[in-house]
Formats: sequence, structure tokens, C-alpha cells
Amino acid sequence: DQQVKQNSPSLSVQEGRISILNCDYTNSMFDYFLWYKKYPAEGPTFLISISSIKDKNEDGRFTVFLNKSAKHLSLHIVPSQPGDSAVYFCAASDPGSSNTGKLIFGQGTTLQVKP
Amino acid sequence: NAGVTQTPKFQVLKTGQSMTLQCAQDMNHEYMSWYRQDPGMGLRLIHYSVGAGITDQGEVPNGYNVSRSTTEDFPLRLLSAAPSQTSVYFCASSSPEIYEQYFGPGTRLTVT
Repeated sequence: DQQVKQNSPSLSVQEGRISILNCDYTNSMFDYFLWYKKYPAEGPTFLISISSIKDKNEDGRFTVFLNKSAKHLSLHIVPSQPGDSAVYFCAASDPGSSNTGKLIFGQGTTLQVKP
Repeated sequence: NAGVTQTPKFQVLKTGQSMTLQCAQDMNHEYMSWYRQDPGMGLRLIHYSVGAGITDQGEVPNGYNVSRSTTEDFPLRLLSAAPSQTSVYFCASSSPEIYEQYFGPGTRLTVT
């Protein structure tokens, strides 16, 4: 049973426009969410995160929104650049009494930004 | 700092062969994990460790063994390779103070 879901396998946007990547989760006990970016033949790299006590976190062109009632988070990239073309993974920290280092990942969304 | 390193980068095995995927980190992180990435499946946790001598199973542990004798190293052993283990394997590390995990470059394994 997939606890973290990214229902859009791919997304294509024009350079300069907004990219919105979505992620849904099923476990209301998740307390921390992360987005990772992955280029081909490389390992995933951390992009941005958000705690469940917040509803928004911003870092430059990247903003993550969290809607706890809907169990939904989204990553906004504004403006999108060709170098943003990559696979984006949503992840949730496995709930427990403390951070155990376990992350549960979604399936990933491939973003293509066209020049 | 080299961060998280993995060897080899590529490997081809025949069914039934065994091998060890190596992972090392130089950030003194207590937590280390192994994931596999398959098309449409995202990253799935195989095994993880919260410190030297302590390991536990993740979501897909069958067919894999791990041990953690030092803080720096976390090898993943395939005891008898099967075609279903064809995948890209990533090792990651983190510390209790942070949620973000740092990933290695991956090992692409093909089992024929």
C-alpha cells in the first residue's frame, strides 16, 4: 500500500512559467515532508522540506505547501528553468517516537522545462 | 568531504551469484539506509541502521543482508542474485538532528 503517492508521472512546462508538482499521503501521523531532485545517473539531492506544524516553506524559487486536512503537499517552482528538468520525489519521515532516519518516498514526477 | 560513496557504479551478475555493494560516508552520520529505485516505484527502503551494530528491515528486505560494524560503512549483500533484483541501488546517510538524507551516486545492478 503506497503511503506517499505522486499521481502524475510527468509534467512539461515552458521556461519562465510555474511548475506545480503534487504529492498525496495517507498517514496523518507523518510529521515531516521533503522534496528531492534527481538527475539521470546521479543520486537524489535534497531540495526543500516542511514540518507538519507549518503550511508553507519557501527557499528562493522553490515553495512547498502543506494541506494537512487534505493530506496533500505541493512543490511550486517559479520561474521554471531548463536546469530544473529532473525527477522530483516527495518523501515523508516515518512516524515514530523520534526521527529514525526512515523516509517513505513517492513514485516520482519527471519534470521537463522547455526553453 | 567525499560525502556518501558507493562502489561499484555498475555490476552485472548471473542468477545465483552473490556480491556486496559497498557504501561509505565521511560525515560521521549515525543513520544509514539502502534504497532501490525501480521504474514507477520510486525509492523503496531495503534496510537501515541507526548506529554501529544496529540494523533493521525496511519495506523490501528479502534477498538482502546488511551489517554495520563501523559508523562509516554499511555494505549491502546479495546472497543469491535473482533477476528481480535488477535495479539501481542508493545508499544514504543522515544524523538524528536532521531529517534530510544524503545520497550516494548509486549502483546500477543487472542480474541475468
